[in-house]
Amino acid sequence: DAKTTQPNSMESNEEEPVHLPCNHSTISGTDYIHWYRQLPSQGPEYVIHGLTSNVNNRMASLAIAEDRKSSTLILHRATLRDAAVYYCILGAGGYQKVTFGTGTKLQVIP
Amino acid sequence: KAGVTQTPRYLIKTRGQQVTLSCSPISGHRSVSWYQQTPGQGLQFLFEYFSETQRNKGNFPGRFSGRQFSNSRSEMNVSTLELGDSALYLCASSLVDTTDTQYFGPGTRLTVL
Repeated sequence: DAKTTQPNSMESNEEEPVHLPCNHSTISGTDYIHWYRQLPSQGPEYVIHGLTSNVNNRMASLAIAEDRKSSTLILHRATLRDAAVYYCILGAGGYQKVTFGTGTKLQVIP
Repeated sequence: KAGVTQTPRYLIKTRGQQVTLSCSPISGHRSVSWYQQTPGQGLQFLFEYFSETQRNKGNFPGRFSGRQFSNSRSEMNVSTLELGDSALYLCASSLVDTTDTQYFGPGTRLTVL
């Protein structure tokens, strides 16, 4: 199964951009890259996902390396509500199991 | 749309007992996945069900089992509970499979004494 590697923790100042990296060197061609975040005492919530091209939505942007062996979640302006554990996940769907990364705990400093 | 619901939210059991957790997915979602979350191991995939069939299974012992009903509701069962089974058990539903967005429930906090 493909694995992901993320830094254990990161800090950011409020209203500054945050770049959260994820390495997935053994990703297969059909694996989608998903990002979820988990706020304290809650289940994870979806942030963004992509396959090959960079993706943007109202919450964040996802930059995927050309060789797909790494990706970066970009929060354009961190707020205190963005303090959470961010998970990078690979999933191919169907009969492929989901592999969770270690997660990065993001601390946002006022 | 109502979100994913899980019952019960909290549960306390003793070693050797068994437990059944329930998950109701978002209406129209046919895929239900279960995860175990512990401080030491993080989020680990247990299994995924689609159309009442287990489509995939994580690396957990046979004491962990599940099923899905025709209305897509799912249950997971843990038999012969061990102290190490204390964890937050999360259920997630998606339209078809895990390439789709997964919507997680709030989880069931299981404590084994």
